[in-house]
Amino acid sequence: DADVTQTPRNRITKTGKRIMLECSQTKGHDRMYWYRQDPGLGLRLIYYSFDVKDINKGEISDGYSVSRQAQAKFSLSLESAIPNQTALYFCATSGGGTRETQYFGPGTRLLVL
Amino acid sequence: DAKTTQPNSMESNEEEPVHLPCNHSTISGTDYIHWYRQLPSQGPEYVIHGLTSNVNNRMASLAIAEDRKSSTLILHRATLRDAAVYYCILRDVLDYGQNFVFGPGTRLSVLP
Repeated sequence: DADVTQTPRNRITKTGKRIMLECSQTKGHDRMYWYRQDPGLGLRLIYYSFDVKDINKGEISDGYSVSRQAQAKFSLSLESAIPNQTALYFCATSGGGTRETQYFGPGTRLLVL
Repeated sequence: DAKTTQPNSMESNEEEPVHLPCNHSTISGTDYIHWYRQLPSQGPEYVIHGLTSNVNNRMASLAIAEDRKSSTLILHRATLRDAAVYYCILRDVLDYGQNFVFGPGTRLSVLP
């Protein structure tokens, strides 16, 4: 089984709809992240959480919100989806420390019409 | 955040060595150099990281310049499966709130 899972893997929605992307991890890590990737570009950080009670905005948080329901679960919501939020979304986890290796999920491909 | 510069793309022949360069002229003394790669249709995966000394693991080697202003990821024998985007990232080990900054990376093509 994968260490980091994301649901759904693909989603098509319409402008103005609220949607939620979910992420679960079995690595026992405290730190979780949501990134967005647009074609030909690197990943940009949306939100991150260093533990259940800690939520921080990343580089591009406008239009997004998150919820850390438990150590293992971190959800990303688009309150009112717009077409320029069409992208590939990745969840990641890390254990902190000097190594700080990040483990990524398989991604969710989102299309907003 | 400290910045890195990588070529947009590189090409290699299968079973030949590949040297992927990264420039980081503003690196600080506590910045670790991390390399990740992203295979097609997958999330990024960790490759290797180092601070000052060269590093080897089962996937690759990392050669770090003496002045630490550049580094090179070495794939000893490229395979078709190594075709991916490779990201060079700096992260300050003392800044616990800092996050990884993924630039556009280098897209490696491996020719059969």
